[in-house]
Amino acid sequence: GEDVEQSLFLSVREGDSSVINCTYTDSSSTYLYWYKQEPGAGLQLLTYIFSNMDMKQDQRLTVLLNKKDKHLSLRIADTQTGDSAIYFCAEGDTGRRALTFGSGTRLQVQP
Amino acid sequence: DSGVTQTPKHLITATGQRVTLRCSPRSGDLSVYWYQQSLDQGLQFLIQYYNGEERAKGNILERFSAQQFPDLHSELNLSSLELGDSALYFCASGGASGNEQFFGPGTRLTVL
Repeated sequence: GEDVEQSLFLSVREGDSSVINCTYTDSSSTYLYWYKQEPGAGLQLLTYIFSNMDMKQDQRLTVLLNKKDKHLSLRIADTQTGDSAIYFCAEGDTGRRALTFGSGTRLQVQP
Repeated sequence: DSGVTQTPKHLITATGQRVTLRCSPRSGDLSVYWYQQSLDQGLQFLIQYYNGEERAKGNILERFSAQQFPDLHSELNLSSLELGDSALYFCASGGASGNEQFFGPGTRLTVL
């Protein structure tokens, strides 16, 4: 079955770059997503990438995809305290619309 | 604000009871997805409806059921509640392409 793995915790200093990593197992994954969840809130879609792309940049966010290794990363440039949250990686395909989520990476940004 | 609304925000009930969670998708979205977020299981897909029809089923218990109405809002019914059903229940909506899913704020269910 599908499986998505993430490290549990990342701590960075304000102004540094953060890199959150994710690996997935399903070769048929068509779309890979990054969601952000702040305490007591829902999941906010940050960005997503098609599996035929290697990179996507959106302001401070850069997504890198290594399809051969089934590895996805999210880089947040100039990390701010407001970026402190849990970041979820998820995968889906055109046939199976439901998303499979990783366990989430808690990002702590220290001032 | 994603445009997806869920009510109620919090629900506290007792074991054995039945509750209904409600979701209104974003304007124009035909798909509604239900997910459960718990500490031990993480985020798990429960069920999807598209334009009133059940489209996909995930790890949904037989005690749980859902439907999508003609106005596209959806309800998730949870019955014979157990302590382990305590979780955050999220609804997400998506358009015809299915590429994006936008999540509501969730309903926190506590079963005592």
